[in-house]
Amino acid sequence: SAVISQKPSRDICQRGTSLTIQCQVDSQVTMMFWYRQQPGQSLTLIATANQGSEATYESGFVIDKFPISRPNLTFSTLTVSNMSPEDSSIYLCSVEMSGGRAFFGQGTRLTVV
Amino acid sequence: DAKTTQPPSMDCAEGRAANLPCNHSTISGNEYVYWYRQIHSQGPQYIIHGLKNNETNEMASLIITEDRKSSTLILPHATLRDTAVYYCIVITNFGNEKLTFGTGTRLTIIP
Repeated sequence: SAVISQKPSRDICQRGTSLTIQCQVDSQVTMMFWYRQQPGQSLTLIATANQGSEATYESGFVIDKFPISRPNLTFSTLTVSNMSPEDSSIYLCSVEMSGGRAFFGQGTRLTVV
Repeated sequence: DAKTTQPPSMDCAEGRAANLPCNHSTISGNEYVYWYRQIHSQGPQYIIHGLKNNETNEMASLIITEDRKSSTLILPHATLRDTAVYYCIVITNFGNEKLTFGTGTRLTIIP
C-alpha cells in the first residue's frame, strides 16, 4: 500500500495568481499521476509525472498552465498557473503500486475568486 | 470511448445487499476489472479487482460473468458509510497505468 500526503488541503486564491500543490508518498514510486475533479464531475487525468523526465500531459492540458516537478521518487508538485474561476476544482495526486492498485491523496480543494 | 458503462445512481436500504452493475463489453484478455469508490470530499479508495474468477475481500464481492463482458460489485450489508460514488475501471495489472474514470454510480444508502 501507499500513504499519500497532499498539501494544502484547500485554498482560496485570487484570479491571476498561481498555487503549487505538493504530494508526498511514503514509498518510492516510478510514476505519479495528477487528476482534476471539477464540481460534480468525475476525475480527469492532467498528467503523468516521471522522475527525471518531463511530465506527460493529457489532451487539453499544457505545461505552461500546469507545470509539474518530480525531483525524486517520493515527491511531486503541481502548479496551477494564472488561475481563473474555471480552475476551481479538486486536484488529486495518485500512485499506482504493483498489482495495479491505485492510491490517492485526499485532494486539494481550490476555489478561485 | 468509454470502456465501462454504469447506471448513474442507485439507492439501497441500510443492512441490505447493494449490487452495482458494470458493463465492459470491449474488455481485452489481459485487462482486469477494478472497483474504486469516492466518499464525499475524499480521494478515491480501492475496493477490489478481478480477472475472471469471482473475488471477495473484507469490503466487497466481485462477480464477473463468464464472458467477462459485465460484472457486479456486491456490498453484502450496506451501511450509511457506504454512500459514495462507485467507479468500475478496466485496466491491466502491470502497474503505472493511468486510470480513466467514467461517471460512476452514485450509491445512496437509505436509513
